[in-house]
Amino acid sequence: AQTVTQSQPEMSVQEAETVTLSCTYDTSESNYYLFWYKQPPSRQMILVIRQEAYKQQNATENRFSVNFQKAAKSFSLKISDSQLGDTAMYFCAFERSYIPTFGRGTSLIVHP
Amino acid sequence: EAQVTQNPRYLITVTGKKLTVTCSQNMNHEYMSWYRQDPGLGLRQIYYSMNVEVTDKGDVPEGYKVSRKEKRNFPLILESPSPNQTSLYFCASSLMGGNTEAFFGQGTRLTVV
Repeated sequence: AQTVTQSQPEMSVQEAETVTLSCTYDTSESNYYLFWYKQPPSRQMILVIRQEAYKQQNATENRFSVNFQKAAKSFSLKISDSQLGDTAMYFCAFERSYIPTFGRGTSLIVHP
Repeated sequence: EAQVTQNPRYLITVTGKKLTVTCSQNMNHEYMSWYRQDPGLGLRQIYYSMNVEVTDKGDVPEGYKVSRKEKRNFPLILESPSPNQTSLYFCASSLMGGNTEAFFGQGTRLTVV
């Protein structure tokens, strides 16, 4: 069974600064997908970024980028130029054969 | 607009009274699933469905039922709710294949007293 670990229950950052959220996972599979989802206070789950395990290049979406280390089974999310609207719960997710496993989440607060 | 619609958004019920939370998607997605979200535990999958009439248990299926009679609908049924099923529930859908975004409903806050 796959497990996803987010070791930081809470984090905070000043507006305009950079923050990195960590995620590690455990699997014996070689082909899989990794995701970061954002859940703001509205509760809506929003996809932030995705990574395919067979791709070595780290995914980037505007201010969001990942550091994917396949051998270390690590998938951290970097948020650059943090904005107040980035305040949310962030979930890391692993997916293999259509079945996703989510981490327990990291609560990020961006301070003005 | 592409969306997943859950109803109701909020529900308070009593122990043992059967209830159904509806979920509908308008994107012709094959894959649909239900999650519950509890503080400190993240999202845990209850049931999923890869297509019409095909459903499978997720990590926490006890006390829940689902059906997939139509592609667009995937209701979650609690035959005899108990207080430990008090939670925030999400329905999600996606095209088959892991490299596709999962679209989530807005959540149903269920309280069982």
